[in-house]
Amino acid sequence: DTEVTQTPKHLVMGMTNKKSLKCEQHMGHRAMYWYKQKAKKPPELMFVYSYEKLSINESVPSRFSPECPNSSLLNLHLHALQPEDSALYLCASSQGVDSSYEQYFGPGTRLTVT
Amino acid sequence: AQKITQTQPGMFVQEKEAVTLDCTYDTSDPSYGLFWYKQPSSGEMIFLIYQGSYDQQNATEGRYSLNFQKARKSANLVISASQLGDSAMYFCAIPARAGNNRKLIWGLGTSLAVNP
Repeated sequence: DTEVTQTPKHLVMGMTNKKSLKCEQHMGHRAMYWYKQKAKKPPELMFVYSYEKLSINESVPSRFSPECPNSSLLNLHLHALQPEDSALYLCASSQGVDSSYEQYFGPGTRLTVT
Repeated sequence: AQKITQTQPGMFVQEKEAVTLDCTYDTSDPSYGLFWYKQPSSGEMIFLIYQGSYDQQNATEGRYSLNFQKARKSANLVISASQLGDSAMYFCAIPARAGNNRKLIWGLGTSLAVNP
């Protein structure tokens, strides 16, 4: 089973709202990722967790707050977002952060900030 | 620093024909690998194929194969017998160092349209 699940599929939120994106995998993977993707562009890495510890933060604004409660779950807490944060947010996982491991992606959450 | 170049913003192919999507790379790592991903309009990024720089034979996965030419620093994706469901964005990616970790560097992608 190579499934990564993400909820919700779509999210519309105002600039003063607080919401969370959720991601789950049951492949025993020890690395999990958050990406942001604008239309017709490649994904941009936001955060990497390795063995439930934050290992990469790509200088993401603090209005995005990641959390890894356990090895299967990854959350992205959103607060006071801007309209330019509207994008597809993709979660991925891999066996580890070694360069030969492929990443498996979830279906994404399409976020609209109004 | 690692760099990936996909020079074909858009490609068209007739159903059942083969198509080659170009990817060139630059890396200072002595050992590296190349990934190809497919992204349909639904949004999900799908892993297609991987090849490491020390692999002797070009990787194949079903209708997908990698034409890896290290001397030219190219790792082109060949899709044989194209199907309508192959219409999607295709991204090439290479791992890059990020401190003690690694992250993927992505090309800008190629949009493939398969015509019936």
